[in-house]
Formats: sequence, structure tokens, C-alpha cells
Amino acid sequence: QKEVEQDPGPLSVPEGAIVSLNCTYSNSAFQYFMWYRQYSRKGPELLMYTYSSGNKEDGRFTAQVDKSSKYISLFIRDSQPSDSATYLCAMSWSSNTGKLIFGQGTTLQVKP
Amino acid sequence: EPEVTQTPSHQVTQMGQEVILRCVPISNHLYFYWYRQILGQKVEFLVSFYNNEISEKSEIFDDQFSVERPDGSNFTLKIRSTKLEDSAMYFCASSVQQRGTGGSGELFFGEGSRLTVL
Repeated sequence: QKEVEQDPGPLSVPEGAIVSLNCTYSNSAFQYFMWYRQYSRKGPELLMYTYSSGNKEDGRFTAQVDKSSKYISLFIRDSQPSDSATYLCAMSWSSNTGKLIFGQGTTLQVKP
Repeated sequence: EPEVTQTPSHQVTQMGQEVILRCVPISNHLYFYWYRQILGQKVEFLVSFYNNEISEKSEIFDDQFSVERPDGSNFTLKIRSTKLEDSAMYFCASSVQQRGTGGSGELFFGEGSRLTVL
């Protein structure tokens, strides 16, 4: 079983749609959960960071972590064409490491 | 806005040649990292570096790889004898501190150096 699994998509939605992106993981030791956005030919950029279970909201973005199901989600409300990018989930198990375990990334296209 | 800069943006090399990828982390950051992404695959951790020494490395980071902070601003990744399978995008990243230590451990990534080994 892969450590972090993420549907690569591509996912295509109309502007204004609610987007749901998900990752599952197998390692119950993961405590820190992140979502990165990666535009074409750019490095990953941190969008959301969550410690342990729960929800976190930042503007149009909401991150959810369900540790009991080993499942994390990123919701994007009122999606915009500028949200078109690859979204990577990432996780780590310790506060003493910069080693992140990434998912495959989901490519999102928001059509005007 | 401060950013991590990487050079070269693209390097083509022959198998067996040595390659050095360079990075200038954000100036007040203390932790430095290299990650790589083979085309179509996941971003993978290679190594973390703090206080002039490797703090953690992955199984990918074998004896062919080395890292160095030769001066106060640069952070380099050297591949001694490149293989075809080393072809990838290499990302440098830096952070003020480790993740989860009370403050922002956010990793800031550069735009990457694409390495093509022929």
C-alpha cells in the first residue's frame, strides 16, 4: 500500500464551482498535514497547514483532516481560473523533521 | 518578497558526469532541503541540512550525492557520477525552523533545476 495516495486527475470544473481534493494515507503516525499548490514550472507553495485532526479555513480554502479514516481534504469555494494548478498533499510525523511525504498531486483546471 | 533561487534552471549532462545544482535560500532561514521530482512521479525528500551538517537523509541520497553550504548564502547539491535515473526536477527549499516547533516551519521552495542525463 502506498504511503500517501492522491488521484492525479485531471479535474476540470467551471468557474465558481466548489472543488474537493482528497488524499488518503496509510501511516497512522502522520501528525502534520499540508496542502501545496504548484503552478506549471514553479516550485510548490504552501496553501494550508493543519496539525492533527480538524478543520482549518483560510478565505476560499478549507482543509479537513480525519485521522480516524486516514483521509484529508481540501475544499476550494468559488473556484477561479487562477486556481488552475496542481495541488499536492503532504504529511509528516514529527515536529523535528522537514521530511515531507507528498502525494502524487491532482491537476485542477477551472474553466472561465 | 524573499524567495529561494536556484541555478541552473535546466542542465543537460552526459551519464557519468558530475553536476552541481545551486540554491540561494531565504536569508534568515536556518534549515535547508533538497527534494526531487521525477517526471510524472511524486515530489521526494532527499536531504535536510542544518548547522552545517546533514540532519536527515532519505535512502535515495546515497554516496553519489553530497550537499554543502560553501559560504553564507549558497547551498549546493552535487551528484558525482550522474545516472540516467537521476533525470528529474530538483527543488531546493528552506525554512526558518523545523515544522511544528511553535512557529512557522513552512518550507519555501525554489522553482527547481531540471536535470537531464543523456
